[in-house]
Amino acid sequence: ETGVTQSPTHLIKTRGQQVTLRCSSQSGHNTVSWYQQALGQGPQFIFQYYREEENGRGNFPPRFSGLQFPNYSSELNVNALELDDSALYLCASSPVAGTGAEAFFGQGTRLTVV
Amino acid sequence: QKEVEQNSGPLSVPEGAIASLNCTYSDRGSQSFFWYRQYSGKSPELIMFIYSNGDKEDGRFTAQLNKASQYVSLLIRDSQPSDSATYLCAFDMDSNYQLIWGAGTKLIIKP
Repeated sequence: ETGVTQSPTHLIKTRGQQVTLRCSSQSGHNTVSWYQQALGQGPQFIFQYYREEENGRGNFPPRFSGLQFPNYSSELNVNALELDDSALYLCASSPVAGTGAEAFFGQGTRLTVV
Repeated sequence: QKEVEQNSGPLSVPEGAIASLNCTYSDRGSQSFFWYRQYSGKSPELIMFIYSNGDKEDGRFTAQLNKASQYVSLLIRDSQPSDSATYLCAFDMDSNYQLIWGAGTKLIIKP
């Protein structure tokens, strides 16, 4: 177990709705990255937060937004859900920004949009 | 053009044999390369990372990096049924804040 926890584990939403996914980072880690993994694909980088600031963003529209809190936990918000947003959402925490070497993943949140 | 290419498989290997997984990438500026294992329905877990050309060994796993040819491989010796999973390779972008991933190779170890 990595010490990174995500909630909820599964979620079903209707197209057009909004969703908030949560991630608690591992103790001592100040960096959180979010990824979207569609079925049969590799994860796609959404964004990274370092010390409460966005530290980089992938090719996702603005309706994907995030927050990081003083305790380094993080939220991913998705507005105006589309069917293609159905995926496994992964949160990874690391002790330093910008490296994958010590990134630990949570168990993921499976989002289904109907 | 995809930035990371992996054979989707499935790759079927007898128990006890060597499994060889390959990955090619397009970004010559990439510095760090990672192999993750992902069981069905689970999140990826890091197996190894490698920065320098050559081989890096960790137990039954060996990562091989050839920057000139832009490929990285993973060898699994003495394959076990528990090694059956999807193996994802990834690399750091120059900007150093994200990982770029392949789609993964499904490995099946047959008893």
